[in-house]
Amino acid sequence: DTEVTQTPKHLVMGMTNKKSLKCEQHMGHRAMYWYKQKAKKPPELMFVYSYEKLSINESVPSRFSPECPNSSLLNLHLHALQPEDSALYLCASSQLTGPQYFGPGTRLTVT
Amino acid sequence: AQSVTQLDSHVSVSEGTPVLLRCNYSSSYSPSLFWYVQHPNKGLQLLLKYTSAATLVKGINGFEAEFKKSETSFHLTKPSAHMSDAAEYFCVVSGYLTGNNRKLIWGLGTSLAVNP
Repeated sequence: DTEVTQTPKHLVMGMTNKKSLKCEQHMGHRAMYWYKQKAKKPPELMFVYSYEKLSINESVPSRFSPECPNSSLLNLHLHALQPEDSALYLCASSQLTGPQYFGPGTRLTVT
Repeated sequence: AQSVTQLDSHVSVSEGTPVLLRCNYSSSYSPSLFWYVQHPNKGLQLLLKYTSAATLVKGINGFEAEFKKSETSFHLTKPSAHMSDAAEYFCVVSGYLTGNNRKLIWGLGTSLAVNP
């Protein structure tokens, strides 16, 4: 089973809202990732968690706040976003040196 | 430093004809290489991976890729295109180490169109 699930599939939020994106995997992977993808572009890495600890933050604005409650779950908390933050947000997981497996993504629109 | 170049931004083929999507990479050491596919409004699916075993790698849906170190290439092929193959394809190299993690280096993608 190589499934990564993400909820919600679609999210529309205003610039003053607070919302969260959720990601779950049950493959026993110890690394989990958040990516942002704009249309017709490759995904851009945002955060990496390794053994539930944040190991990489790619200089992401503080309005994005990741959280890894346990080895299967990854959240991305959103607050005071800008319209340019509208994108597809992808979660992925992997063994530390294996390929990454992606979820279907959350399509975020900031109004 | 690692980098990857997808040589065609768009490829158009007829259904039933072969597919060739070209990818060149640069790496200071033996890399791991991947092809991912993304159908419209979907997530990314791993097609195949090369991790220093056999140089000819077979993937899902009839795709395969050959690792050629002398040419620093990892081209993706399929003998006969299906309409369902129309998608965006990304060539990816993994080799940048930060602690225990590897950061994927992505090509810009090749959009494959399949004509009836």
